[in-house]
Amino acid sequence: SQQGEEDPQALSIQEGENATMNCSYKTSINNLQWYRQNSGRGLVHLILIRSNEREKHSGRLRVTLDTSKKSSSLLITASRAADTASYFCATDDSGTYKYIFGTGTRLKVLA
Amino acid sequence: DGGITQSPKYLFRKEGQNVTLSCEQNLNHDAMYWYRQDPGQGLRLIYYSQIVNDFQKGDIAEGYSVSREKKESFPLTVTSAQKNPTAFYLCASSGQGPGSQAFFGQGTRLTVV
Repeated sequence: SQQGEEDPQALSIQEGENATMNCSYKTSINNLQWYRQNSGRGLVHLILIRSNEREKHSGRLRVTLDTSKKSSSLLITASRAADTASYFCATDDSGTYKYIFGTGTRLKVLA
Repeated sequence: DGGITQSPKYLFRKEGQNVTLSCEQNLNHDAMYWYRQDPGQGLRLIYYSQIVNDFQKGDIAEGYSVSREKKESFPLTVTSAQKNPTAFYLCASSGQGPGSQAFFGQGTRLTVV
C-alpha cells in the first residue's frame, strides 16, 4: 500500500497545551497537505507545504517538512476543545493528480 | 455558494442492489475523486478523473463504477459485486494542477441492510 502513516494514532491533551502529530510518506512529492475531519463530516484543508519549503505557519498551525526523511509534522499551539478532530496528511503521487492520505491522528482536546 | 455537494447524506442498500451516489461541484475544477473511509481509518481512493470523459481506477476500484459526462458531475455506482460496501464515501475536487488543494463534500454514509 502507498498509504502514509500518521503518528500517534490518537492523542489526548488538555486545553491550552500544544499538540504535535507526525506524518511519514513513501514516494517523492511536490506538495504535502494537512486536512482536518470532524466526526462524520468531510475533510477541510488546513495548510499546504511545497517540497522546497521546510516550515510554514498559519495562525496556530505550524507545519514542517523534511523530504530527506520523508516526514512532516503538524503543531497546533494553545489547543482548544474545538480542535478535537482527526487530522490527515496527504501527498501527491509523484506529481500526478492522485492524493495519498495517511491513516490519521485522532486528537481529543479536553476542556 | 461555491462548493461540492454530495447526496444523499445517508443511503441504505439491500443485498444485490446497485446504488448511485451523487457528487456535484460548481468550482469549475477539472479533477474529481471518490474515496472510501472505514471506521477509524484513512481514505482509500476508489476512482479519480482528471478531465471530462476520462477516469482512472484508484486502489480499490473493484465493485465500483463511475462516469464523467459533465465537468460538474462525477457519480459513483456501488454495484452488487462490491461485497462489503458499508462505509463512508467522500467525493473531492481540485483544480489547480497536481497536488493542489482538494475540496471535499460532506460525505455519504452507505449501509447495507
